[in-house]
Formats: sequence, structure tokens, C-alpha cells
Amino acid sequence: GQNIDQPTEMTATEGAIVQINCTYQTSGFNGLFWYQQHAGEAPTFLSYNVLDGLEEKGRFSSFLSRSKGYSYLLLKELQMKDSASYLCAVTEGGGYQKVTFGTGTKLQVIP
Amino acid sequence: ETGVTQSPTHLIKTRGQQVTLRCSSQSGHNTVSWYQQALGQGPQFIFQYYREEENGRGNFPPRFSGLQFPNYSSELNVNALELDDSALYLCASSWREPDTQYFGPGTRLTVL
Repeated sequence: GQNIDQPTEMTATEGAIVQINCTYQTSGFNGLFWYQQHAGEAPTFLSYNVLDGLEEKGRFSSFLSRSKGYSYLLLKELQMKDSASYLCAVTEGGGYQKVTFGTGTKLQVIP
Repeated sequence: ETGVTQSPTHLIKTRGQQVTLRCSSQSGHNTVSWYQQALGQGPQFIFQYYREEENGRGNFPPRFSGLQFPNYSSELNVNALELDDSALYLCASSWREPDTQYFGPGTRLTVL
């Protein structure tokens, strides 16, 4: 089975930088997603990491270490609209691409 | 917007009834996955369809079933509804590999 851990809640100040961590234990690991989900809405794709290292996409960056079973999502220049849940999800193979989600980190951005 | 659509948006059913939820995948995507998301939780994988065949299943009972059609749209059917089935049901389409997986807006199901 899989075990995905991420903090339940975080609070950060507008304009600041926040790092949301995710650790996972899984067999047949293929890659790791980060999704953003505003309350009552569907998850929105942010990134998909397969290889070790940092991938930057505008204000958002995602890092993966396969050997450590660890990833983080870095949000820079925080804006109020970044208040949302951030979901870490792991994909594994085995004939089909199963995606397993963590419970999400609820980020609150305050003025 | 992702191009993935779902219907209906909201639905209220009573315990014991049956429900069918629908999903139209993004153009060019041949794989559809269904998820159940309870309040405050991450989405839970129900099953995946690839080219009209079930291609993987999570820990859901057989009363959760599905179909995928030749145009790659999909249905999720739930029989004998239980109160705990109340959740947001999400479908996501992809081109085989999940790095292109995009979610639809979801169907909010309430079972009374």
C-alpha cells in the first residue's frame, strides 16, 4: 500500500514564501503530482515530478527526492488567492497508472 | 478550464437508490479515472477506464461500477446508496500517462 503524509494546515503572510512538504512510502513509484484545490472546486494541476530535482514554474516550484521519498511545493510571493488546499499525489505503475492522494494541506494566506 | 465536463453538478438521493454520474473527457484523452472526495479529505481512487475497459480499481465495493464509451466519455454508477456515499465525485482524463491528468468540476452527491 501507500502512505502519504503532508501537514494538515499552514498559515503564511502575503508576499512571503511557503514550503509544503510531502513524504511518501510506496512501491512501484512512477511520479508525484501537486494539485491546488480551492474550497468546493476540482483540483487544478500544478506539477508532475518524475526525476529528482527542482522544477520551477512561475511562482510555484516543486522538488522531488526519490531516494528519500520526499517532495515539497514552494510558493513564492504569496497572494491571497493562493489560500487553498494543496494535494500531494503519488503515481505507481503495475499495468495501470494508479494515483494515490494525500489528505491535503490547507494553506491560509493572511495580510 | 480543462475541457473535462461532468453532469450533473449537484444531486440529492435517498439511501438505497441508484445514481449515474457522467463525464466527458478532454479531447484526445483515452483514459478516465474516477475519484471520491469526502469533505476535508483527498480524492480516493475508485477505478480507471482505458479504451472502454476497466484498467484498475481502488478499494470500493462492487456496487460502484462504470462504463467507458467509444468516444471515451464515461459513467459512474452507484447502487444501493449509503449515507457515507455523500461526497464530491471527480473524474479525470488523461492520455494514458497521468502527467496529463486533468479533473472535471465534479458532481456533489448528497445521500439522505
